Amino acid sequence: KQEVTQIPAALSVPEGENLVLNCSFTDSAIYNLQWFRQDPGKGLTSLLLIQSSQREQTSGRLNASLDKSSGRSTLYIAASQPGDSATYLCAVLNDRGSTLGRLYFGRGTQLTVWP
Amino acid sequence: EPEVTQTPSHQVTQMGQEVILRCVPISNHLYFYWYRQILGQKVEFLVSFYNNEISEKSEIFDDQFSVERPDGSNFTLKIRSTKLEDSAMYFCASRGWGQSNQPQHFGDGTRLSIL
Repeated sequence: KQEVTQIPAALSVPEGENLVLNCSFTDSAIYNLQWFRQDPGKGLTSLLLIQSSQREQTSGRLNASLDKSSGRSTLYIAASQPGDSATYLCAVLNDRGSTLGRLYFGRGTQLTVWP
Repeated sequence: EPEVTQTPSHQVTQMGQEVILRCVPISNHLYFYWYRQILGQKVEFLVSFYNNEISEKSEIFDDQFSVERPDGSNFTLKIRSTKLEDSAMYFCASRGWGQSNQPQHFGDGTRLSIL
């Protein structure tokens, strides 16, 4: 069974720092990996999706990398801002069985960026 | 940008009562999902739905749960006889046509509180 782990569980940094959030997964047979943002009491906003054949994806100040063989992904946030404060979730879609999209989630990293 | 909408945002129900959670997926999407997140826990997959039938369900999705697409726009999750442990945030998600390289788009969730 796929297990997704995210470290650190929480991170508190001053504005302007560059950050790295880590995600690892136990079964490397994945179809893709998605990073989400979750604000308190809100839904999940998809930030980036990386296909298993890709090494990285970029969107603005966000860059996500994927090392499928070692079961790892990182989310890099450049020049962090207080508005980046949220919980960041990593989720993988297994390349086994149904391809309709059973996502396996990590517990998330709770990020606080203070001015 | 089109979005997944869920109603109600918060539902309070007595234990043993039936509850229906409603979702309107993005209009041209064909794959639909329900997930839940118990407070402090990971987001967990419940069920996926395509072509008017369940394509996959998790061990959580027992006989107390059912899903339906009663018309061309709504997607509902029914819990027949609620238990205290059903208290959670329930998320609906949808995905567009094509391979699994399309991201899943999530709604803001319904917070279900069982008393």
